Amino acid sequence: KQEVTQIPAALSVPEGENLVLNCSFTDSAIYNLQWFRQDPGKGLTSLLLIQSSQREQTSGRLNASLDKSSGRSTLYIAASQPGDSATYLCAVSPGNTPLVFGKGTRLSVIA
Amino acid sequence: GAVVSQHPSWVICKSGTSVKIECRSLDFQATTMFWYRQFPKQSLMLMATSNEGSKATYEQGVEKDKFLINHASLTLSTLTVTSAHPEDSSFYICSARPNYPPYEQYFGPGTRLTVT
Repeated sequence: KQEVTQIPAALSVPEGENLVLNCSFTDSAIYNLQWFRQDPGKGLTSLLLIQSSQREQTSGRLNASLDKSSGRSTLYIAASQPGDSATYLCAVSPGNTPLVFGKGTRLSVIA
Repeated sequence: GAVVSQHPSWVICKSGTSVKIECRSLDFQATTMFWYRQFPKQSLMLMATSNEGSKATYEQGVEKDKFLINHASLTLSTLTVTSAHPEDSSFYICSARPNYPPYEQYFGPGTRLTVT
């Protein structure tokens, strides 16, 4: 059974810092991996999707990497801003099946 | 990205009544939709997977007679919470996925249900 782990569970950083969120998964037979952002009381916003054949994806200040063989992904946020404060969720999909989520990293960026 | 809407965004109902939540994919056809439940400060829990025109597949521990799911068209799925109890109060989120790679899942904004 696929399990997704995210560390740290919570992170607080001063504004302007670069930071890395980690995600690991137990079964490397994934089709894709998605990173989401969730603000309190809101739904999920898709940030980046990495297909299994890809090693990284970039969107603005965000960069996500994927090492399928080791079962790891990282989300790099450059020059963090208070508006980046949210919970970040990592999820993997074996293919035409539901996403399996980690428990998330709660990020606070302090002005 | 693709847009998924949910309605209502929040609802308050009395114990014993039923409430229906709608989930729509606005700019793509979703052969598969998912319903999740989220408790405060916890991650999403998958409740069921629905495929257009067929019965939903429920996760273990989810009562199918209590949480009725209908996926009658390629753009609409509904979740009906029947005979609601206070313990059904939660945040319900739907997700839709097109039937072609990379099978990206798009999420709705969620519905906050409070049962009094």
